[in-house]
Amino acid sequence: DSGVTQTPKHLITATGQRVTLRCSPRSGDLSVYWYQQSLDQGLQFLIQYYNGEERAKGNILERFSAQQFPDLHSELNLSSLELGDSALYFCASSVEGGTSGGLSTDTQYFGPGTRLTVL
Amino acid sequence: EDQVTQSPEALRLQEGESSSLNCSYTVSGLRGLFWYRQDPGKGPEFLFTLYSAGEEKEKERLKATLTKKESFLHITAPKPEDSATYLCAVQALSGGSYIPTFGRGTSLIVHP
Repeated sequence: DSGVTQTPKHLITATGQRVTLRCSPRSGDLSVYWYQQSLDQGLQFLIQYYNGEERAKGNILERFSAQQFPDLHSELNLSSLELGDSALYFCASSVEGGTSGGLSTDTQYFGPGTRLTVL
Repeated sequence: EDQVTQSPEALRLQEGESSSLNCSYTVSGLRGLFWYRQDPGKGPEFLFTLYSAGEEKEKERLKATLTKKESFLHITAPKPEDSATYLCAVQALSGGSYIPTFGRGTSLIVHP
């Protein structure tokens, strides 16, 4: 158990709908990362938040958005869903900020994922 | 464009048969190279972080090494419980931010 929790575990919805995925980071971690994993694309970085602020953006579609709340939990919102959005969505957390001799120590710890199926 | 390539895509070993997985990368401003293990339907589990060429880290039957262009994950005398997909990731500077990029993984099956 990594200490990162994600809800729900499974989500089945229809095209055109909107869903919200939730992530609670490990205690003490300030950074949250969101990833999408599909069979054809592998694990793709979507977005990172650090202490409530957007830190880095990857291949995130405009239909997708995220936020991190004051209690550090994060939500990923997916709208106008398409069949191709069906995937595993992972959240990861890290301390992000601990450095040693200028090197990063931000190891990411992944949650169990949310499996999204769009019908 | 930053790239991470893992080989082989799949590997079948007999229990006790040692081998190596490869992760080659072309990135600028490397901040760290990470190895993860992922079991089916579960989130990746952190194994190692490597920062500079020549660095090595070990954990049980696994040993990770890093050069300027690639990393190897050596598996010594593997057991069936080592069966999993092994992912390599690099964190490198892109557009002013450090972005993690993952390889497609090597699926390892160890037969008893």
